[in-house]
Order: sequence, then C-alpha cells, then structure tokens
Amino acid sequence: AQSVAQPEDQVNVAEGNPLTVKCTYSVSGNPYLFWYVQYPNRGLQFLLKYITGDNLVKGSYGFEAEFNKSQTSFHLKKPSALVSDSALYFCAVRVDTGRRALTFGSGTRLQVQP
Amino acid sequence: GAGVSQSPSNKVTEKGKDVELRCDPISGHTALYWYRQSLGQGLEFLIYFQGNSAPDKSGLPSDRFSAERTGGSVSTLTIQRTQQEDSAVYLCASSLRQGDNQPQHFGDGTRLSIL
Repeated sequence: AQSVAQPEDQVNVAEGNPLTVKCTYSVSGNPYLFWYVQYPNRGLQFLLKYITGDNLVKGSYGFEAEFNKSQTSFHLKKPSALVSDSALYFCAVRVDTGRRALTFGSGTRLQVQP
Repeated sequence: GAGVSQSPSNKVTEKGKDVELRCDPISGHTALYWYRQSLGQGLEFLIYFQGNSAPDKSGLPSDRFSAERTGGSVSTLTIQRTQQEDSAVYLCASSLRQGDNQPQHFGDGTRLSIL
C-alpha cells in the first residue's frame, strides 16, 4: 500500500519569507511524486512533479521541491512567499508500475500574511 | 475551453434520488480519473478509465456508484439511491496516455449535497 503524510494542517509565513510545506511518502517501488495547489471552489492545479533525475525539481510560480530518497520526503519550497500563494496544497504519490491512481496527502493550508 | 470541464458545478438533491455527474476531459487525453473530496476523508480515488475501459474500479465505495465513458471522451459518474454520506465534491482529472509520468489535470468539480 502507498501513503502520503503532510504533518502540518496549516503553515503560516510572512510575505517575502521563505516557505516550506512538508511531505513524506511510503511506497513499494519507485515513487512518482506530485504537488498540487487548490484555491477556493476550484479543482487541483498541477505545480510540479518528480519522476527521475535531479532531486531538485522546479515548477510553476517559483515553487520547487526536493526529493530525498533516504528520508522518503518531497518538501515543497519557495524562496519568497506571496500573499497570493495562500491556498491548500496537496502532495501525491504513485509508483512507477501498477496502479495509476494518485494517493493524496491530507493537505496543508498555507497562509501568507502581508 | 482547454481544461477539464465538469457539470453541473453544484447539485442539490434529496436522499434516495439518482444523480449523474459529467466530465469532459482535455482533448486528446485518453486517461480519465474520478476522485471524491470530502472533509472527513480527504481526496479519494474512485475509478480510472483508459479509453472506454475501466481497468481500475477499486475506489468505488459501493455498488450504488457506477461510471462509464463513451467515445474515449466524456464520462458520467452515476450515484443511485443517494445517501447523505455521498455529499462531497466530485473531481474529474485527465492525462495523456503516453508514458506513465504525465500529470493529471483536474476540473473544478461538482459539489454534491444530499438533503
């Protein structure tokens, strides 16, 4: 079975400061990892993915994430937060073989204060 | 539009009624997924289509739930004899078939409320 943990229900950060949203995963096999963002009354919007290769992945809107195999983590980061980054963030995983459906974490609400 | 389209955006119905939710994927996307998002359960996978066939139905919570896809495009999710616990946002996603690493692109969902 595969699972994703997002240990923080909410992250608060001041505008201009760096932000980190944490994600750890558990799979049997090689993971494909994804980050999505959800704004109110909207669907999930793809931010970035890790499939293979460089452990540091860059995505949309200045976000990046670092894949750490030994710690089974895939934390989302941004050097300088914007108020408009305030939203709900989901980490998701699937393995490279078998089931195509994504397993999602419970989500982390990011609140960026002006 | 270029994105995944879902209708209706909101649906309110009485317990015991049947409902149909529609998803129109991105043109050319052969893979289609249904998920359910609810406060208590988070995001749950329901069913996956590749073309018109559904190789993975493992997430459907009961036999009241069914889905079909015709012409490799539009999909409908049907819930029969709705119960209050079916209240949730139903999300559809699509992705390209080529390669297994393509991201899923989501619609804005159908918010279903069972009275």
